[in-house]
Amino acid sequence: AQTVTQSQPEMSVQEAETVTLSCTYDTSESDYYLFWYKQPPSRQMILVIRQEAYKQQNATENRFSVNFQKAAKSFSLKISDSQLGDAAMYFCALEYGNKLVFGAGTILRVKS
Amino acid sequence: NAGVTQTPKFQVLKTGQSMTLQCAQDMNHNSMYWYRQDPGMGLRLIYYSASEGTTDKGEVPNGYNVSRLNKREFSLRLESAAPSQTSVYFCASSEVVIEKLFFGSGTQLSVL
Repeated sequence: AQTVTQSQPEMSVQEAETVTLSCTYDTSESDYYLFWYKQPPSRQMILVIRQEAYKQQNATENRFSVNFQKAAKSFSLKISDSQLGDAAMYFCALEYGNKLVFGAGTILRVKS
Repeated sequence: NAGVTQTPKFQVLKTGQSMTLQCAQDMNHNSMYWYRQDPGMGLRLIYYSASEGTTDKGEVPNGYNVSRLNKREFSLRLESAAPSQTSVYFCASSEVVIEKLFFGSGTQLSVL
């Protein structure tokens, strides 16, 4: 069975600093996709970044980047130059059979 | 461009009452999904529909039924609501989930 684990229920970061959110997963597939979704207080779900498992290069989207370690089944999200608008719940997700399984989420608080 | 539209946004039920959550998408997607979000548990898949006329159980289908009325609409029914079904419910759709999953704005359901 596919599972996603986010071991940090809550994280805090000072504005302009860098924070890393952790995610581990389990799957028997060799080819799959991983995602980070952001959920601000509005409850809207926003795709932050996507990683294809067969690509060795880590995905980057502006201030957001991932550290993908396939052998360790680890997929962490790094947010650089944190902004107040980054405060949200962040979900790690794993694709299987055209569905997504989500982790429990990490609440990110940004201090000014 | 509405995307995924869910109704209602809020609902309070008494134990044993029934209700249907409505979802419609205007992006001509084949796949539609119902998730529930609970604190500390992330989003869990209730049911999904890979195409018009097909539905399949997800991780937590007990107590729910679904109908894929046509390509646009995918409804979720609670036949006899229980307090354990108090949650935020999200409908989502995609053509190919590895590209992006499009979410509705959610329904906050409380069962007393």
